[in-house]
Amino acid sequence: GAVVSQHPSRVICKSGTSVKIECRSLDFQATTMFWYRQFPKKSLMLMATSNEGSKATYEQGVEKDKFLINHASLTLSTLTVTSAHPEDSSFYICSARPPGQGIWAQHFGDGTRLSIL
Amino acid sequence: AQSVTQLDSQVPVFEEAPVELRCNYSSSVSVYLFWYVQYPNQGLQLLLKYLSGSTLVESINGFEAEFNKSQTSFHLRKPSVHISDTAEYFCAVSEPQDTGFQKLVFGTGTRLLVSP
Repeated sequence: GAVVSQHPSRVICKSGTSVKIECRSLDFQATTMFWYRQFPKKSLMLMATSNEGSKATYEQGVEKDKFLINHASLTLSTLTVTSAHPEDSSFYICSARPPGQGIWAQHFGDGTRLSIL
Repeated sequence: AQSVTQLDSQVPVFEEAPVELRCNYSSSVSVYLFWYVQYPNQGLQLLLKYLSGSTLVESINGFEAEFNKSQTSFHLRKPSVHISDTAEYFCAVSEPQDTGFQKLVFGTGTRLLVSP
């Protein structure tokens, strides 16, 4: 069964609204979670590394105020797309890494398809 | 900065035929290399990894990949595919940083389509 649960799987909303995506680690406490964005025919792009109890580390070119990340507990990280616009439409994927394991040991969620009208 | 190239966006193949999915990377330092698989409507799963040692690594379901440093490649192969192997396959690389191997860089993916 899935060890990382991502919710919702799909969301459609109007331009200008904010959308929150949740990523839950079900089987382990994850001090580190990752948020990726995937464009059609493109690779997964790391957006940010979410660290429990501290600020997220954003990749170059990712707007911190646009994509708010909160990792308030060891099992939950949230990504909020603020004032979403059509160009924010994409497939967002989260992952969680068990403590003490290598970067390759990330467990991925099933993704959230965000469509902004 | 490292990058990963998967030249084939889609590879159609008949069941029981062999297949090779190509992956090339660019990096100026030693890297870790990975293949992930994404079945329809599911998240990515680690298929196999190369960290060090033997350049040929294998998965439990018959896939293998060979690290070729001179050609900067990590191609994925299977001698006989099944319908159930139909999925998206992503090659990924991780490069050492000051804080360790902390980030994965993915290729654009190759969709393997196995037909009867």
